[in-house]
Amino acid sequence: GAVVSQHPSRVICKSGTSVKIECRSLDFQATTMFWYRQFPKQSLMLMATSNEGSKATYEQGVEKDKFLINHASLTLSTLTVTSAHPEDSSFYICSAQTGPDQPQHFGDGTRLSIL
Amino acid sequence: GDSVTQMEGPVTLSEEAFLTINCTYTATGYPSLFWYVQYPGEGLQLLLKATKADDKGSNKGFEATYRKETTSFHLEKGSVQVSDSAVYFCASRGTSYGKLTFGQGTILTVHP
Repeated sequence: GAVVSQHPSRVICKSGTSVKIECRSLDFQATTMFWYRQFPKQSLMLMATSNEGSKATYEQGVEKDKFLINHASLTLSTLTVTSAHPEDSSFYICSAQTGPDQPQHFGDGTRLSIL
Repeated sequence: GDSVTQMEGPVTLSEEAFLTINCTYTATGYPSLFWYVQYPGEGLQLLLKATKADDKGSNKGFEATYRKETTSFHLEKGSVQVSDSAVYFCASRGTSYGKLTFGQGTILTVHP
């Protein structure tokens, strides 16, 4: 149980394009989803917290117009990297939880490479 | 704010050796504590957790005890296997709604 599916697992695209990453909770309803960014050999940096049906809460220093987050249902959240540039290349990971006292369950991550 | 500090790696061990990865935290109140494991190219998997002082989390031969007096949650395993090679993250969750604070991660490599 508690499976989180993230898609795509890897994407390579040209500078200036927009990229959408999906995060789905397959067997549970996620009231909250989180988006992280991980640089090589570093820890996870929380980008934003997303609650179903409301606007995402972004961490300090994260551009909300650059990283658009939509949490339209209890099983799906999307992260769109708009007008991506090489410095946006990174490993993006989502997680989901059923409530504030429950563990976060993580997706397998998306390796984004911008050429 | 809350913070989590892990011992610096990488850690390299021979198979069947004893493993300890140190983790200490600072937080207001009494956070829940977690260990996550990340295999190459994958997301994080919850390894074990403890929600209050003196709780011991255990899973797959790993264990960690929530020590309030030393603000620590050290990860231990009596006999590591090659398949345990991964990155291990200690994390705390305090009063903020569900938000986790991660340590920097410790790379573990186990040789046959």
